[in-house]
Amino acid sequence: DTGVSQDPRHKITKRGQNVTFRCDPISEHNRLYWYRQTLGQGPEFLTYFQNEAQLEKSRLLSDRFSAERPKGSFSTLEIQRTEQGDSAMYLCASGGDLRRNTGELFFGEGSRLTVL
Amino acid sequence: DQQVKQNSPSLSVQEGRISILNCDYTNSMFDYFLWYKKYPAEGPTFLISISSIKDKNEDGRFTVFLNKSAKHLSLHIVPSQPGDSAVYFCAAIAFRVGTASKLTFGTGTRLQVTL
Repeated sequence: DTGVSQDPRHKITKRGQNVTFRCDPISEHNRLYWYRQTLGQGPEFLTYFQNEAQLEKSRLLSDRFSAERPKGSFSTLEIQRTEQGDSAMYLCASGGDLRRNTGELFFGEGSRLTVL
Repeated sequence: DQQVKQNSPSLSVQEGRISILNCDYTNSMFDYFLWYKKYPAEGPTFLISISSIKDKNEDGRFTVFLNKSAKHLSLHIVPSQPGDSAVYFCAAIAFRVGTASKLTFGTGTRLQVTL
């Protein structure tokens, strides 16, 4: 399977714990995005990587959130001291060179976080 | 400020009939508009897109129409099939060098195709 993969698919944690999600994008894609989706809403942009550089972060990304893409391949999204409001589906997406692109992003199946 | 809006949270259509999903936007700088389909517990999957310089794009049963003057686009599915039952998201992108050129999504419309 050469699509975007995310791990874990589901995570249940207690408030105050740290969680980390991993995303493996399509191998030839240099653009990687993290989105968050809550019930009744569309995906909301969190952060963007071009290769290993994190070039943009949303206001939604508080100081408790950190993302990395150390070698320009896989990416991790860590949430420290989780709060109940962090409960959501975290989606990773990748895309190819924008010069040959119509804007399409390829999404993984998401990591659903439940904070108790 | 919500730049992409889907004002109908749900739509029910009979199998074989036409489904029309609507989307409005406010940012005239968007370069492409896209429709994604999402099943429960899965990520969104790309369906069809249209450039801002076009007014129609067709792919099989799916056609997207763009009305730039009204800042409105619609997705037509003909004929509708039960497997089309899903949440449909409208999205838009503005390509800008040095920025994320990210997709901005609407809130989605849940389509149910009944037998």
